[in-house]
Amino acid sequence: GQQLNQSPQSMFIQEGEDVSMNCTSSSIFNTWLWYKQDPGEGPVLLIALYKAGELTSNGRLTAQFGITRKDSFLNISASIPSDVGIYFCAAAGADGLTFGKGTHLIIQP
Amino acid sequence: DAGITQSPRHKVTETGTPVTLRCHQTENHRYMYWYRQDPGHGLRLIHYSYGVKDTDKGEVSDGYSVSRSKTEDFLLTLESATSSQTSVYFCAIRGAPGLAGPYQETQYFGPGTRLLVL
Repeated sequence: GQQLNQSPQSMFIQEGEDVSMNCTSSSIFNTWLWYKQDPGEGPVLLIALYKAGELTSNGRLTAQFGITRKDSFLNISASIPSDVGIYFCAAAGADGLTFGKGTHLIIQP
Repeated sequence: DAGITQSPRHKVTETGTPVTLRCHQTENHRYMYWYRQDPGHGLRLIHYSYGVKDTDKGEVSDGYSVSRSKTEDFLLTLESATSSQTSVYFCAIRGAPGLAGPYQETQYFGPGTRLLVL
């Protein structure tokens, strides 16, 4: 089946640093989505990408839909304590949504 | 806010007991989904619905059944709960009314139900 390889699995950063994570696949997708999940809550949609090459921002977050339609990245600039959580990529194809396993973002004081 | 609620939010039950989880949405979405989330596995699709009384299996459907008698409610039933069904269960809806094309692929999640089977 389709799989998304999300990396890194976890990140330990200092407050104020920039963060970058990505998802890759051997399959082509039509839509890429990025979610954030806080402990005890459901995933919340951060950014949705619908066109190859598209670059979209949401505040300090920027995400891109890879030109090959097989990958996407998410950047967070100037991290703050509330950015802590698990970030998931997801991609829509013929079989519905496929999810990455998540990137745990931990911010060290 | 996609107008999705799940009940109960937490439940502890015993092996062999039937359990029903409810997902309720207020925005007339046609597609609804049930996922489970487990460490090391991420989100996995259990069942989904594409309309009233129209449902289909997902990746991990064994031991689960679903029903959708009204647009707004999608029920997940564990006929006889087992310890392997201890998990966090999420409901999701797809798309937004009035949108078409790739925008319909976006899914929005409920707050989740934590289920512990002893």
